[in-house]
Amino acid sequence: DIQMTQSPSSVSASVGDRVTITCRASQGISSWLAWYQQKPGKAPKLLIYAASSLQSGVPSRFRGSGSGTDFTLTISSLQPEDFATYYCQQANSFPLTFGGGTKVEIK
Amino acid sequence: EVQLLESGRGLVQPGGSLRLSCAASGFTFSSFAMSWVRQAPGKGLEWVSAISGSGTSTYYADSVKGRFTISRDNSKNTLYLQMNSLRAEDTAIYYCAKVLKGGATHFDSWGQGILITVSS
Repeated sequence: DIQMTQSPSSVSASVGDRVTITCRASQGISSWLAWYQQKPGKAPKLLIYAASSLQSGVPSRFRGSGSGTDFTLTISSLQPEDFATYYCQQANSFPLTFGGGTKVEIK
Repeated sequence: EVQLLESGRGLVQPGGSLRLSCAASGFTFSSFAMSWVRQAPGKGLEWVSAISGSGTSTYYADSVKGRFTISRDNSKNTLYLQMNSLRAEDTAIYYCAKVLKGGATHFDSWGQGILITVSS
């Protein structure tokens, strides 16, 4: 199974800050990586797929990059509605696996 | 607008069985693979199972293989998860999710989730 390791597990940031979250796969997954945002009590929301493709309707301040084993989600200017938990997910092979999550908190 | 609505009994005893349903609307159901993802209370996301659009291919997490069965009825636009031999560690919110068009098994639409509690 492919293990997905996210870091940091939590980050404190202020509105307007640039935030970077990383996700590392235990083996190469090409660009088969997605990022999701989840707010408390809500279902996850797809932000980025295929490592760097922005899902329709998602603000352009979200950017995904990387390939192989190392990936990054960058929020260029954090907005109040961005405080949430973020997960990466690999789709290279079954079983599909998620990272452990990164909670973005208000500083 | 894509809508996914999960349903099923919420509380079941250890060793018991339960079938979850997910009613889909707003898209051509048979054209898309579907999946179940769960989230234990206060924990992260765990993929459970997936099924192709035709229903001929199915996939499972090791943690549920042999106990859970995914299926679909394309005439009813409904996804199912039959859960047998339930354990306390199966307690979670279960989400059904629609797979993104284009090949990658990423999830572009999710249901609101249903809490399943396995307890005596």
